[in-house]
Amino acid sequence: NAGVTQTPKFRVLKTGQSMTLLCAQDMNHEYMYWYRQDPGMGLRLIHYSVGEGTTAKGEVPDGYNVSRLKKQNFLLGLESAAPSQTSVYFCASSYYSQGGSPLHFGNGTRLTVT
Amino acid sequence: AQSVTQLGSHVSVSEGALVLLRCNYSSSVPPYLFWYVQYPNQGLQLLLKYTTGATLVKGINGFEAEFKKSETSFHLTKPSAHMSDAAEYFCAVSNSGGSNYKLTFGKGTLLTVNP
Repeated sequence: NAGVTQTPKFRVLKTGQSMTLLCAQDMNHEYMYWYRQDPGMGLRLIHYSVGEGTTAKGEVPDGYNVSRLKKQNFLLGLESAAPSQTSVYFCASSYYSQGGSPLHFGNGTRLTVT
Repeated sequence: AQSVTQLGSHVSVSEGALVLLRCNYSSSVPPYLFWYVQYPNQGLQLLLKYTTGATLVKGINGFEAEFKKSETSFHLTKPSAHMSDAAEYFCAVSNSGGSNYKLTFGKGTLLTVNP
């Protein structure tokens, strides 16, 4: 049981390049989330999904797109990377969305945009 | 609106000493409160949570936290620190029925444990 797996672990991009981060979970969770973590800022929600085929904007969605074609996968895309997107990105999933259902996190992707 | 303030971005304790990590929140409705821990190069994992009921909440690894409504606090404690407790700790609040979409994280407190 792997939990939440993120690919890749590290990536360096040049300004204007694009990339996709992959998140896969094997817990049959309906709800999935993408966060970014910046020093001294805590975690901020980028986008989330309430089920296969659905996505919604979080607190900081600009410059990112997401897709949830399969229940177990949640993709985060950067169409034209900017230095401000240098961050550590975390994917998470949960069984429920309410009632304090725990978030299960992946180990993160460290992205540097030069 | 809701917010979380973690007092002290870095706390250092000796092994065996009391651990106290402070968290204050603001919420216009009864909050759901959480502590998550992040070990180096890993994602966050839930330590404990308060939803309703008993105000003293026990979590994993000997940690506990007490919800004090009058003080709008949810401080995390552990009687005796262990080297393995060294990590970053995040307090979080949700005031929408515990919705994960409305979860606000604090900025984190890095705990160092000295031998």
